[in-house]
Amino acid sequence: DAGVIQSPRHEVTEMGQEVTLRCKPISGHNSLFWYRQTMMRGLELLIYFNNNVPIDDSGMPEDRFSAKMPNASFSTLKIQPSEPRDSAVYFCASSSTSGRAPGEQFFGPGTRLTVL
Amino acid sequence: AQKVTQAQTEISVVEKEDVTLDCVYETRDTTYYLFWYKQPPSGELVFLIRRNSFDEQNEISGRYSWNFQKSTSSFNFTITASQVVDSAVYFCALRTDKLIFGTGTRLQVFP
Repeated sequence: DAGVIQSPRHEVTEMGQEVTLRCKPISGHNSLFWYRQTMMRGLELLIYFNNNVPIDDSGMPEDRFSAKMPNASFSTLKIQPSEPRDSAVYFCASSSTSGRAPGEQFFGPGTRLTVL
Repeated sequence: AQKVTQAQTEISVVEKEDVTLDCVYETRDTTYYLFWYKQPPSGELVFLIRRNSFDEQNEISGRYSWNFQKSTSSFNFTITASQVVDSAVYFCALRTDKLIFGTGTRLQVFP
């Protein structure tokens, strides 16, 4: 199995630029999660989708952040415009929920974003 | 409110020592799930174990063991005979409607 795939692995951009992070979940998984990891705030859930539908986006910091999942095999997290405080590692994770039990989440390798 | 507390920020041990990583959680839900993840220096998050709130049986997997006690809202993780490769940040997490992570414990195992 390929696992969760994220691209790019590293992104360096200048303040004000648009940044798009991409994620391909594990085939067959019906839930997808975006997390942000920083030294100050640890691992934070930004948003998650179930069957391609956004369920909880309360963790999205502000309107500059948006996420989409146009189909079961692809999701994007966009930051526009980016700011230096957005610098972090962004993880995508997917899981398969059967019945009421949440499956374990499998994480991608992360995208390290640096905004100068 | 849901909360996960990992009071130990960093632990250093010498190889072959046993080490226990503490995790205390808070939730009002009666159904919940607890997880441990490992984040090695390479950065990826690796799933270690999932436990549901109705199963308090301790679990052992090789050198790893987990002690779940609802009475103290704790889900502690013990590594027996630690090895250098165990050096990583370990996260405890609680899932009710969503997954909430603790702040992690950095374990350093020295040769």
